[in-house]
Amino acid sequence: QQQVKQSPQSLIVQKGGISIINCAYENTAFDYFPWYQQFPGKGPALLIAIRPDVSEKKEGRFTISFNKSAKQFSLHIMDSQPGDSATYFCAASFTDKLIFGTGTRLQVFP
Amino acid sequence: GAGVSQSPSNKVTEKGKDVELRCDPISGHTALYWYRQRLGQGLEFLIYFQGNSAPDKSGLPSDRFSAERTGESVSTLTIQRTQQEDSAVYLCASSLGGSTNYGYTFGSGTRLTVV
Repeated sequence: QQQVKQSPQSLIVQKGGISIINCAYENTAFDYFPWYQQFPGKGPALLIAIRPDVSEKKEGRFTISFNKSAKQFSLHIMDSQPGDSATYFCAASFTDKLIFGTGTRLQVFP
Repeated sequence: GAGVSQSPSNKVTEKGKDVELRCDPISGHTALYWYRQRLGQGLEFLIYFQGNSAPDKSGLPSDRFSAERTGESVSTLTIQRTQQEDSAVYLCASSLGGSTNYGYTFGSGTRLTVV
C-alpha cells in the first residue's frame, strides 16, 4: 500500500515530441504528488507538484494530470528538448515522508 | 549555505569497515531525510528527523545502520560492518517542514562503494 509504481523504466523521445511518464498508487490517504528531476551526479530537484483536489497542473512545458478515481497521475513534457534528458521520479506522501517511484530515464534526441 | 552539502562525495571502503556520511542541511530547515539510491533504482527512505521529535527510523534496513542529528543542523549516517550490498548513493534532503507543504532540497549525495 505504500508503493508508488512508475512506468516506463526508460523512454526515448525525439526533440519536439511529447514525453509521458505514468505513476499509480494504492494508498488513498496520499495527498501530495510531486515529480522530481535528477541529472547524473546530482540530487533530485523538485519539478512540479499537485494535490488531489485538482485534475491538472501546468508549469511551462510540464503538466501533471491527476486521476483520483483511477489512483493514477502522469507527467507530460511538451516540446521535449535534449536538455530534458534526465531521470524523473514521481512521489507521494500523506505525512512528512515521500515515497518515490522507481524512476524513468528519459533521453531526448535531436 | 545555499544548498544541502554532503561529504564525502565519494567513499570506497573495504567490506567489514565502518563508514560515516555527513549532511549539512540548509540553515533553518527543520526536517532532514536520508534516502538510499541503488544503481538504476528508485529512492529508498531510510530515516527522517523533524525538529526535536523522535526520528522516524522505519526505513533503516538493519541494525548496522544508524543516524544522528545535532539539533536542527548536521546529521551523520553511520554504517557499521559494511557489506557489498550497501554500495549505493546515499542522498540527504532537508525541508522547511513537512513535505506536504514544502519540497525537499536534496544534496548531491555520497557514492559509497564497498569492495
